[in-house]
Amino acid sequence: DQQVKQNSPSLSVQEGRISILNCDYTNSMFDYFLWYKKYPAEGPTFLISISSIKDKNEDGRFTVFLNKSAKHLSLHIVPSQPGDSAVYFCAASGWNTGNQFYFGTGTSLTVIP
Amino acid sequence: DTGVSQDPRHKITKRGQNVTFRCDPISEHNRLYWYRQTLGQGPEFLTYFQNEAQLEKSRLLSDRFSAERPKGSFSTLEIQRTEQGDSAMYLCASSSPEVTALYGYTFGSGTRLTVV
Repeated sequence: DQQVKQNSPSLSVQEGRISILNCDYTNSMFDYFLWYKKYPAEGPTFLISISSIKDKNEDGRFTVFLNKSAKHLSLHIVPSQPGDSAVYFCAASGWNTGNQFYFGTGTSLTVIP
Repeated sequence: DTGVSQDPRHKITKRGQNVTFRCDPISEHNRLYWYRQTLGQGPEFLTYFQNEAQLEKSRLLSDRFSAERPKGSFSTLEIQRTEQGDSAMYLCASSSPEVTALYGYTFGSGTRLTVV
């Protein structure tokens, strides 16, 4: 059962515009949410996170929004740059998930120069 | 510290053979994880160590899989009698417990296994 879902396998955005990546989850006990970025032939690298006590967290060009009632989070990248082209995974964990994170299937972002 | 190291980067093996992968975590991290990623999927949890103790195992970790972390340092993941369905990227990650929830893990570059 996929507890974390990313329904858009790919996204293309013009350089300088906003990229919005979406993620939905089913487990209401999740309380920490992370975004990872992955380049080809490399492991995922941590990008930004949010805890369930917040609805927004910002770090430079990256902002994550959490809507707990809708069980939805999104990652906004503004402005998008060609170097942002990568696969983005959202991941979630909670008090009842042990010590593991559940990952979505990823969204491949292409930023067009 | 050069981060999390995995060896080998690629492994091609014939069905039925045994393979072993190695992971060297960040030295200060006492938590070590193994995940598996297949094409079009996100990483899936396999197992977790705190120091040398293996504390959790996924149901994905069949009897053919065994993981060890002697002395709480490097870890090995062995797959016996490999099957074509074992073809995947095997990712190792490490973390410190006090920051895991908000900063996640540090992943290695993975070992890509192809079973032919």
